[in-house]
Amino acid sequence: DAKTTQPPSMDCAEGRAANLPCNHSTISGNEYVYWYRQIHSQGPQYIIHGLKNNETNEMASLIITEDRKSSTLILPHATLRDTAVYYCIVSSPIQGAQKLVFGQGTRLTINP
Amino acid sequence: EAQVTQNPRYLITVTGKKLTVTCSQNMNHEYMSWYRQDPGLGLRQIYYSMNVEVTDKGDVPEGYKVSRKEKRNFPLILESPSPNQTSLYFCASSFNYDRNQPQHFGDGTRLSIL
Repeated sequence: DAKTTQPPSMDCAEGRAANLPCNHSTISGNEYVYWYRQIHSQGPQYIIHGLKNNETNEMASLIITEDRKSSTLILPHATLRDTAVYYCIVSSPIQGAQKLVFGQGTRLTINP
Repeated sequence: EAQVTQNPRYLITVTGKKLTVTCSQNMNHEYMSWYRQDPGLGLRQIYYSMNVEVTDKGDVPEGYKVSRKEKRNFPLILESPSPNQTSLYFCASSFNYDRNQPQHFGDGTRLSIL
């Protein structure tokens, strides 16, 4: 499994953009980068994913470097409800299982 | 509303008393999976199913069984629960097992085995 490295915690002011970095230097060419978040002990919530190109949806933007060894999740206008643990995951195609390996993630705190 | 529904949400039971955690999705998804989440260990995959009647072991299958008789349901069975199975459990589903399909998670089931 390609491993990911994320800072354990980050703070961001409400209304500002939150930029969450992730390193995945061992990613292989056919592996996707996924971002999920988990609020308290609720079920992980899918945010966004990408392979090579930058992606944007109604929740966030995903910027993947050209060499694909790192990525950044951007929450453009963070709100207090965005306080959560954010997981950067490389999707592992083991035997078709599409296993998601959740590391420790980044605990993002949005401050008023 | 598209969702993955788990029941029960909370359960306290005793060692050896068989229990089943149900999981149902209304999105016609082919792929379903069970994870457990423990402090310091993150989420670990227990079992997964790529379609009806097709199931396979994940990373931590010991002590669990699953079945996939219908597309929408994927129950997790603990035949003889033990205290080390006390955990927070999540069911997830995706359209299929392609790497380009995000998984959608249920709200979780917190099991306490005494």
